[in-house]
Amino acid sequence: DVKVTQSSRYLVKRTGEKVFLECVQDMDHENMFWYRQDPGLGLRLIYFSYDVKMKEKGDIPEGYSVSREKKERFSLILESASTNQTSMYLCASSLWNRDSIEAFFGQGTRLTVV
Amino acid sequence: KNEVEQSPQNLTAQEGEFITINCSYSVGISALHWLQQHPGGGIVSLFMLSSGKKKHGRLIATINIQEKHSSLHITASHPRDSAVYICAVTGNQFYFGTGTSLTVIP
Repeated sequence: DVKVTQSSRYLVKRTGEKVFLECVQDMDHENMFWYRQDPGLGLRLIYFSYDVKMKEKGDIPEGYSVSREKKERFSLILESASTNQTSMYLCASSLWNRDSIEAFFGQGTRLTVV
Repeated sequence: KNEVEQSPQNLTAQEGEFITINCSYSVGISALHWLQQHPGGGIVSLFMLSSGKKKHGRLIATINIQEKHSSLHITASHPRDSAVYICAVTGNQFYFGTGTSLTVIP
């Protein structure tokens, strides 16, 4: 049973296009994250959110924005896609309780910007 | 800085061999994940553990919180196990290792 869903597995967009990557979780998790994965660099944090309408920059936010209007959905936005944003994008969500943590990952979206 | 270190980076094994991939971390964590990524890029979560040991089929994951170390074992390896295995730890965010690329030869 899929708990974190990314809207597309593969996406091809043109340079300059506005691109939306959607991530939806059905576990009422408070925390959601967007990472990108590049050869030799591993997974790097772009943005994260601890609550609705709340966002925090990660390590590499340049060229990206995010939206969290509802708890279950965290969108990554490329305002004007560029070829250096060709990458694998991974969404994750988590919930911290006093004694435990629950965390799940999406399958990833491979974005190619041409 | 690398909060999560994996070893080895690359691993080639003969079908049937017992395989171990190691993960060491330096941050305080609430849980550790093992992820599998096949060619083509899809990522699958194999395990989430915060103590002890978990087993799923031929896969076994262990964690030693005091030593900040985890291992992923694959028994009776098969060519379909060929993939990149990524260790991730969860604190106030996720920290990822760079992955171990495993190739199992028939």
